[in-house]
Amino acid sequence: GQQVMQIPQYQHVQEGEDFTTYCNSSTTLSNIQWYKQRPGGHPVFLIQLVKSGEVKKQKRLTFQFGEAKKNSSLHITATQTTDVGTYFCAGLSSNTGKLIFGQGTTLQVKP
Amino acid sequence: NAGVTQTPKFQVLKTGQSMTLQCAQDMNHEYMSWYRQDPGMGLRLIHYSVGAGITDQGEVPNGYNVSRSTTEDFPLRLLSAAPSQTSVYFCASRYQGGTEAFFGQGTRLTVV
Repeated sequence: GQQVMQIPQYQHVQEGEDFTTYCNSSTTLSNIQWYKQRPGGHPVFLIQLVKSGEVKKQKRLTFQFGEAKKNSSLHITATQTTDVGTYFCAGLSSNTGKLIFGQGTTLQVKP
Repeated sequence: NAGVTQTPKFQVLKTGQSMTLQCAQDMNHEYMSWYRQDPGMGLRLIHYSVGAGITDQGEVPNGYNVSRSTTEDFPLRLLSAAPSQTSVYFCASRYQGGTEAFFGQGTRLTVV
């Protein structure tokens, strides 16, 4: 079945450093979504990418969708302590309608 | 709008007990799903539904049952709880098609 792999599992950075998490799917996706979960909270939607090669920005966050629509990345420039949390990618299968999540990357930011 | 409401927030069960986790949404979303979250495993899909009367299995369906008699409600049943079902459970809903999912606050379940 469809699998979505995400790396790294954990990342510790100094405040001000950059951060990137990568997501790879075993199958072609109709779209990819990114979510953030604060400690003790629930996942909250950040963004959706639909087009091959698409790049979207939200302030210090840059999201990319690969040309083959099988991989994606989230890059945070100059991390802040408010960026702490777990970032998940989720791939939507056009065949089944299932939204399958990656394992998540937990970001810790040292002030 | 309340969004997605899950109850209870916390639950402790003994091995072999049964219980139902409740999930309700007031956004008229067609698509509802249940995920479990375990350390290092991310969010794994248990069961999902594309509309009232229609359910299907996700990645880890064993030990869980669901039903969808109305658009609003999607309960998750554990018929005979096992320690391996200790986890945090999230219910999510969205419109059909590739749109954002809205999550409930989660249920932290411990089976002893």
